[in-house]
This record gives sequence, C-alpha cells and structure tokens, in this order.
Amino acid sequence: GAVVSQHPSRVICKSGTSVKIECRSLDFQATTMFWYRQFPKQSLMLMATSNEGSKATYEQGVEKDKFLINHASLTLSTLTVTSAHPEDSSFYICSASNGDRGLYEQYFGPGTRLTVT
Amino acid sequence: TQLLEQSPQFLSIQEGENLTVYCNSSSVFSSLQWYRQEPGEGPVLLVTVVTGGEVKKLKRLTFQFGDARKDSSLHITAAQPGDTGLYLCAGVGYNFNKFYFGSGTKLNVKP
Repeated sequence: GAVVSQHPSRVICKSGTSVKIECRSLDFQATTMFWYRQFPKQSLMLMATSNEGSKATYEQGVEKDKFLINHASLTLSTLTVTSAHPEDSSFYICSASNGDRGLYEQYFGPGTRLTVT
Repeated sequence: TQLLEQSPQFLSIQEGENLTVYCNSSSVFSSLQWYRQEPGEGPVLLVTVVTGGEVKKLKRLTFQFGDARKDSSLHITAAQPGDTGLYLCAGVGYNFNKFYFGSGTKLNVKP
C-alpha cells in the first residue's frame, strides 16, 4: 500500500499556542487528503476534506478558523490547531487518496498525539 | 448517530476461536473498506469490496459485502493474539464525496 507520514508523532504545547501537523504522501500524488480526530477507544471523526489547490471542506461542527488546513501540493497537507486548549488534546490522523481510485481507498498516516497543557 | 454501525463493540476471545464482526447501515455504499488499527497508530487498510455479494479472503480473514451494498461482515477463523486491535469498516457514499467510518469493534484475542 501507499505510504503516508505525519510529523510530529507527538506534541505537547501550552494552552493558547498554535501547533502545526504535517501530512505527507511519500510515494504517490494525493489529490485529496482527509483529516480525522480520534478520541480514546472511539472511531475516527472526519474533520475536513482538502483537495490540492483549493479550500478545505469542513464537517459540521468543526471550526475552520481554529483548525486551519492547507493543501498546497500533491504530497503535503498541513493542519494547524490555533490557540489550542486542553479540550483540543486528541489523536489527529490524516489520510490521502490518489484520485485514480477516487475515495475507494484511503491510506492513513501514523497519527499525531496532541496534548495541550 | 453513526451512518455505519458495527457490532459487537467489544469482543474478547481465546486464541483459536472464530468470530464475526458486522457493519450495518440503512444507506447504500458504492464500496466498503475494512481497516485494522493498533493503539497509537493509524488504520491499515485490509480490504476493499465493491460488488454487492462480493466475498474476499485474506488468509484467515473473510470479508463479505451484502447483496444490497448496505452491510458487510468480517469473519476471522482461528483468531490469534496478533489479530488484536480496533477493526473499522468504512464506506464511500454514492455521491463519492464522503467517506464514513463505522463505530469500531475492539477485538482482544487472549493467548
């Protein structure tokens, strides 16, 4: 399967600061990338869908001004959590699709554990 | 409410036992995927089923897509401790712009 990386794998930040998480598709061009949030022992919750070169589409209830998503190239998408608060602490996972198979298959990154103190 | 409901939510069995995990919806999906996720890692794709009634086998794992494309099942034969993890089904909506995850099944296989 395709390889997707995320950086950093873990990050601890203070309340009020911003954190950027990178998602890279290493061996294919990702026309669409997805950002998910996962709480302990729960399934993944889709936050937003981003297509290269266009604005991200956010799911209902997700604040676009708080979770800034940029998909500037076919291999990189970033999620910036602005003015983070303890309730933003979570496991954030990105996935990438190469468009040839549409949404048939997504390849996931290893996730980023964010802890806001 | 989840568009895709999985059952059971939790399953703890002994090594060597068989098990089935179900993924059900009232909606029709153009395709459905099964993933396995281990703690602290991203989900790993196991299989994609596309055709109604399709059956796919992956070693001891058997996946089936319902005839009406609203449900799927994952059957594991002779489970091993290495099968332990969170199993997630996910479906692509017919409008192709949404990808829905199931509620998840946490499997623990005891040696």
